[in-house]
Amino acid sequence: DQQVKQNSPSLSVQEGRISILNCDYTNSMFDYFLWYKKYPAEGPTFLISISSIKDKNEDGRFTVFLNKSAKHLSLHIVPSQPGDSAVYFCAASEGNYGQNFVFGPGTRLSVLP
Amino acid sequence: GAVVSQHPSWVICKSGTSVKIECRSLDFQATTMFWYRQFPKQSLMLMATSNEGSKATYEQGVEKDKFLINHASLTLSTLTVTSAHPEDSSFYICSATNYRAYEQYFGPGTRLTVT
Repeated sequence: DQQVKQNSPSLSVQEGRISILNCDYTNSMFDYFLWYKKYPAEGPTFLISISSIKDKNEDGRFTVFLNKSAKHLSLHIVPSQPGDSAVYFCAASEGNYGQNFVFGPGTRLSVLP
Repeated sequence: GAVVSQHPSWVICKSGTSVKIECRSLDFQATTMFWYRQFPKQSLMLMATSNEGSKATYEQGVEKDKFLINHASLTLSTLTVTSAHPEDSSFYICSATNYRAYEQYFGPGTRLTVT
């Protein structure tokens, strides 16, 4: 059973518009959530994270929203740029030492010029 | 940010041979290192967690005798794929974390092809 789900395997967005990537989780013990970006044949790059005590975290063009009651988080990219085209992984962890670190299946974002 | 390197970046080996992949944290001491495997069009699968100086903890379904992990120092962990078979061909990624375990820093990955 997948503990972290990204139900959209792919997403296409026009350059300059907003990209919204969604993630759902089932384990209520998760208390820290992260987004990673991955280009082909490279390791994931950390983008942004959010603790369960917050509902929003913003870093430049990237904003992550967390809805604990719905067990849902989303990553907003505004404005989207062609260089943002990559696979985005949602990840969740629990515990002070990152126990049970779980990745979602990823969403491939294509930003069209 | 923290830098994690992997060597080699790609390797081709013959079936039955063993391959060692190194993962190094270049500018921080990694108390914990993780090894992942990525199959084509699939997510990252955690293989094992290793803490410096102790035995690795393997995830269910991962053969510990086939995937030998050694975390000999705070900056180096190695994954050895023993008696490799074509089905072991994959992209292997390591990550490292320091005292603040929430954020993992990933290596660039190693593409293993077993012929």
